[in-house]
Amino acid sequence: SAVISQKPSRDICQRGTSLTIQCQVDSQVTMMFWYRQQPGQSLTLIATANQGSEATYESGFVIDKFPISRPNLTFSTLTVSNMSPEDSSIYLCSVETLSSYEQYFGPGTRLTVT
Amino acid sequence: ELKVEQNPLFLSMQEGKNYTIYCNYSTTSDRLYWYRQDPGKSLESLFVLLSNGAVKQEGRLMASLDTKARLSTLHITAAVHDLSATYFCAVDFAQGAQKLVFGQGTRLTINP
Repeated sequence: SAVISQKPSRDICQRGTSLTIQCQVDSQVTMMFWYRQQPGQSLTLIATANQGSEATYESGFVIDKFPISRPNLTFSTLTVSNMSPEDSSIYLCSVETLSSYEQYFGPGTRLTVT
Repeated sequence: ELKVEQNPLFLSMQEGKNYTIYCNYSTTSDRLYWYRQDPGKSLESLFVLLSNGAVKQEGRLMASLDTKARLSTLHITAAVHDLSATYFCAVDFAQGAQKLVFGQGTRLTINP
């Protein structure tokens, strides 16, 4: 399995500001993903963070709002830009393990926008 | 449209009983995941089902996959209070790219 950490674990932010969330894995992984879980809801994939190239975004999510970096095989960041209260969610990173086809999730970042 | 639907969404049951959670999905996939989420926590991986007819068991939980029916089940045997959680199924529709589409989740409450 992979051990995943995220920073910060939670934050309260003002409308119109931006927050960058970090995701660190204890081993090199090919694929890293960012998901959003709105309060009481299921998870929705935001994007796939590709090492050495631009992230691939899912329908309804755009790079200007959710810029992603993937500088190496163990680290990625997701920025939530120009935040509004509708961005209040838990943001989770996950990684793919080719050896077992499992996908593991980080502890999440709980974001509240006021 | 890629859809994953779980049934039921809420389940309250007594300890010692058996029950099944169903996960239906809309189009072809041969990879299905089950996760557990406790309140305020992240997702814990339970099972990955990789082929038609796959069955996996861990303790009181057993998961199966029927790709022809586009159906997976999570069966709970002799439930205990510690199994109270929300259970999600997720499907990889992207032929191994692991872009998961999640079901709505089933909130399971097991009463002593």
